[in-house]
Amino acid sequence: QKEVEQDPGPLSVPEGAIVSLNCTYSNSAFQYFMWYRQYSRKGPELLMYTYSSGNKEDGRFTAQVDKSSKYISLFIRDSQPSDSATYLCGAGSYQLTFGKGTKLSVIP
Amino acid sequence: GAGVSQTPSNKVTEKGKYVELRCDPISGHTALYWYRQSLGQGPEFLIYFQGTGAADDSGLPNDRFFAVRPEGSVSTLKIQRTERGDSAVYLCASSLLGNTEAFFGQGTRLTVV
Repeated sequence: QKEVEQDPGPLSVPEGAIVSLNCTYSNSAFQYFMWYRQYSRKGPELLMYTYSSGNKEDGRFTAQVDKSSKYISLFIRDSQPSDSATYLCGAGSYQLTFGKGTKLSVIP
Repeated sequence: GAGVSQTPSNKVTEKGKYVELRCDPISGHTALYWYRQSLGQGPEFLIYFQGTGAADDSGLPNDRFFAVRPEGSVSTLKIQRTERGDSAVYLCASSLLGNTEAFFGQGTRLTVV
């Protein structure tokens, strides 16, 4: 079992939909959690950083961490075609362990 | 600099050759990481520097891989006797400390032919 599991998709939604992306992790030592967006042939771009259980909101993005169930989520409200990318979840204590990434397409 | 800079952006080399990949982190960031990303996969950890020293090199796949950061800023990832299986995108990231937000560069796409 990989330390961070993420459904690779692909996930296709209509413009304006709410998107839910999820990961699970197995290592209880992981202390902080990040979500990155990666466009094709580009480096990962940091979207959200969280250190504790609970919700963190930034614009249309909400990151949610539940340490008791080892579950990480990213919600995107009012999704836009420009949100089409691969979304990577990462967890760790200094270096990050990543999931495979979920490929999202937002259809106009 | 404004962001993490990696050079070259693309590198094609012949099997058996030696390559060096360079990473210039965000100014003032003490932590630097190297990752490797294969097609359809998430980045895989290779090595973590805190300042000049390698704090964790447990992700380096074998002794053909080596990385340095002599002055605590720029880092070089060195691969000896390259193999076709080394073909991947090599990503560098930096963070202010070891457990804060990590920012990635655009990566070096290495192709071994």
